[in-house]
Amino acid sequence: QVQLVQSGAEVKKPGASVKVSCKASGYTFTSYYMHWVRQAPGQGLEWMGIINPSGGSTSYAQKFQGRVTMTRDTSTSTVYMELSSLRSEDTAVYYCARGDYYGYFQHWGQGTLVTVSS
Amino acid sequence: QTVVTQEPSFSVSPGGTVTLTCGLSSGSVSTSYYPSWYQQTPGQAPRTLIYSTNTRSSGVPDRFSGSLLGNKAALTITGAQADDESDYYCVLYMGSGISLFGGGTKLTVL
Repeated sequence: QVQLVQSGAEVKKPGASVKVSCKASGYTFTSYYMHWVRQAPGQGLEWMGIINPSGGSTSYAQKFQGRVTMTRDTSTSTVYMELSSLRSEDTAVYYCARGDYYGYFQHWGQGTLVTVSS
Repeated sequence: QTVVTQEPSFSVSPGGTVTLTCGLSSGSVSTSYYPSWYQQTPGQAPRTLIYSTNTRSSGVPDRFSGSLLGNKAALTITGAQADDESDYYCVLYMGSGISLFGGGTKLTVL
């Protein structure tokens, strides 16, 4: 069965960077896109970007351009989301979600809480 | 800047039918936006309900259906049950790999 297992919770100081991982199993890693979605406390879901695990191409939401980098390691079937210049407003649960190119998120990771606090 | 619009809240009686909508701040939603719908309860990851306007995700009961209604995408829940009480989010595909969530609708069943 498809599983997306994310790395554990992180606490970071403002200005730092965080890198969250999402290890996929149960399917051919390079056959499906991976999205990253976040949710701040008490807020709605927010799409951050997409990566094609096959070639590594990415598209990012304009809001995160210049601050987010999504990468993949095909040898370990893992995708990564790195967010830099963290501020308190980046405190959120970050999800990876396997899907297609058109915004269909079929399977979700369990979420990773990132807390940004001085 | 395009905004995806959803009703902030809605209520339905047990056994009743409710239609939630998903629109655009400018323009009409069509199948080219590949609307999808997600259900989320507090503290849980979202659950996928509908994709490509009206295709149910695996395991989703046929009480949930998607459609286009006028210039919006719509999610209809028939025979509402207590455990349908959740937040519902739509997503629209904006082109070039970019997707956009609506603000979500908090559905109350009472």
